[in-house]
Amino acid sequence: GQQLNQSPQSMFIQEGEDVSMNCTSSSIFNTWLWYKQDPGEGPVLLIALYKAGELTSNGRLTAQFGITRKDSFLNISASIPSDVGIYFCAGRKSYDKVIFGPGTSLSVIP
Amino acid sequence: KAGVTQTPRYLIKTRGQQVTLSCSPISGHRSVSWYQQTPGQGLQFLFEYFSETQRNKGNFPGRFSGRQFSNSRSEMNVSTLELGDSALYLCASSFSGTGGAETQYFGPGTRLLVL
Repeated sequence: GQQLNQSPQSMFIQEGEDVSMNCTSSSIFNTWLWYKQDPGEGPVLLIALYKAGELTSNGRLTAQFGITRKDSFLNISASIPSDVGIYFCAGRKSYDKVIFGPGTSLSVIP
Repeated sequence: KAGVTQTPRYLIKTRGQQVTLSCSPISGHRSVSWYQQTPGQGLQFLFEYFSETQRNKGNFPGRFSGRQFSNSRSEMNVSTLELGDSALYLCASSFSGTGGAETQYFGPGTRLLVL
């Protein structure tokens, strides 16, 4: 079946540092989504990408839809303690189910 | 605009019982998807409903079922509960317009514990 790979699996960074994480797939997707989940809560949508090559920002977050449509990356600049959580990428083909990656756990050291 | 709501937020059941979870999507959204999240398996897709019809289905046994009402609200049911069904059950809604490039928004989830 379709699978997404996320890397790194977990990361520990100092407050103020920039963060990069990525998501790869063997399948082509029409939509890439990035979510953040806090413990005990549902994932919250951060950024949605709809076109290959698209680069979209949301505050300190920037995400790109890979040109091959098989990958995406998320950058967080100047990390702060509230950035702690699990970041999920997700891909979707039109009218098909959304496939989620296993997540990247981010810890920020003050 | 109100977000996705799920009830109940927490539930404790015993093996063999059945459970029904409810999800109210964002107003105007017609698609509702259900996911099971466990520490070991991550987010696993259960099924998606659109306009009261099941449009996609994941690889779960028949004990897991769902339905959607004319107002887009959805319920999922798990019969003959097993210990392994303990998980966070998440509902997500999307507008599901003609382009297919819709975005899903999640509810806070229902935490189910099976004893």
